[in-house]
Amino acid sequence: AQTVTQSQPEMSVQEAETVTLSCTYDTSENNYYLFWYKQPPSRQMILVIRQEAYKQQNATENRFSVNFQKAAKSFSLKISDSQLGDTAMYFCASYNFNKFYFGSGTKLNVKP
Amino acid sequence: GAVVSQHPSWVICKSGTSVKIECRSLDFQATTMFWYRQFPKQSLMLMATSNEGSKATYEQGVEKDKFLINHASLTLSTLTVTSAHPEDSSFYICSASLAPYQETQYFGPGTRLLVL
Repeated sequence: AQTVTQSQPEMSVQEAETVTLSCTYDTSENNYYLFWYKQPPSRQMILVIRQEAYKQQNATENRFSVNFQKAAKSFSLKISDSQLGDTAMYFCASYNFNKFYFGSGTKLNVKP
Repeated sequence: GAVVSQHPSWVICKSGTSVKIECRSLDFQATTMFWYRQFPKQSLMLMATSNEGSKATYEQGVEKDKFLINHASLTLSTLTVTSAHPEDSSFYICSASLAPYQETQYFGPGTRLLVL
């Protein structure tokens, strides 16, 4: 089984600043996918960004980017120009063989 | 985009009764749906994988007779919590993929279950 670890239970950032959320994972597979999901207070899971393990280029989606270090099994999320609407729980997840494995989550508070 | 709905959004029931939660893919056919359980301030734990027309695959530690899953059509999967007890109180989330073994999943809004 794969494990996903998020070592930061909670983080705060000032509006317009940049914040990085950490994630490490453990897998013996070569082909897998990594994701960051956002869960706002509504509890609806929202896909933030995805990364295919065989691609070396880091994924980017507007203000969101990742730092994918395959050898180190690290997959951090950088949020630039933080906005109040970014306040949510953020879950790192890995996907392989039709299963998702989620980390414990990081609660991000964006302060005005 | 692909939309997944869940019904009901929240339910309160008495201990010993059964509760059915529906998960529907509204604008696509989902051969595979997934059921998760999320305790307060915790992560999502995969309970089972629901395959249309076949038996669900349960994760280790999940009681099959307790959590009955039926995926009778390409747009509907149901989770029935049988003889519910207070410890079954949780947030249940379903997700669906457009095709088997496709990594992109679309999540429902979740169902909050409270067993008194």
